[in-house]
Amino acid sequence: AQRVTQPEKLLSVFKGAPVELKCNYSYSGSPELFWYVQYSRQRLQLLLRHISRESIKGFTADLNKGETSFHLKKPFAQEEDSAMYYCALSPISGGYNKLIFGAGTRLAVHP
Amino acid sequence: NAGVTQTPKFQVLKTGQSMTLQCAQDMNHEYMSWYRQDPGMGLRLIHYSVGAGITDQGEVPNGYNVSRSTTEDFPLRLLSAAPSQTSVYFCASSYSHTTSYEQYFGPGTRLTVT
Repeated sequence: AQRVTQPEKLLSVFKGAPVELKCNYSYSGSPELFWYVQYSRQRLQLLLRHISRESIKGFTADLNKGETSFHLKKPFAQEEDSAMYYCALSPISGGYNKLIFGAGTRLAVHP
Repeated sequence: NAGVTQTPKFQVLKTGQSMTLQCAQDMNHEYMSWYRQDPGMGLRLIHYSVGAGITDQGEVPNGYNVSRSTTEDFPLRLLSAAPSQTSVYFCASSYSHTTSYEQYFGPGTRLTVT
C-alpha cells in the first residue's frame, strides 16, 4: 500500500538550532516526493520537490531510496519557519499527480 | 490572478442535506482536484480532473460527485450529507496532470455536518 508517515506531530526547537522533519514512505517503485508547507493563515504551498534537488528558504531534502525516507533539514531554524509541514508522494505509475500526504508535523521555533 | 478560490469558507449542514462546494481557478490549469483533511490525518484525494469533461475517483470518493464543464470550475457536490463528511475541504489545481508539477491550493472550506 502507498503510504507516507511523518512520525512527529510536533517538533519544538529554539531559534538557531538544526531542524530535521522526518518523512518515510511506502511505495513499490520510484515516486515523486514533495514537501508542502502551511504557514499560519496562509494556504498550503509547495516548499520543495526532490526532482529539483533545490534548497528553498535554507531547507533541503534528500531522497534515500534504501531507507525509503525524504527527511527535511535546515541547519539553523528561524522563527518564521514555524508552520505545518506535510510530506507528500505522487505515484509515477498512472501518470497523474495524485498526491498522498502524511499527517503533517507542526514545527514550532522559539526565540 | 486570484489563483484558486473556494466558496463558502464555512458551512454547517444537517444530515441528509445536499450542497455544492465551489472551486475556481484563473490560471488556465489543466488539472484540478479535491482533497479532504481530517484531524490527525493528511489530505486525502476525493476526485480529480485532467481537463474539461474528464473526471475520475480518488482515494475517498463515496458520497461525492464532481463535474468539469469548464477549465476554470470544478464543483464538489455532497449528495446527502453525513456526519462522517465533517472535514476541511481543499481544492487544488496544477498546470499539468503529470506528477512533478506543483499543485496550487485554495484556502479551504470547513464543513460541519450535524
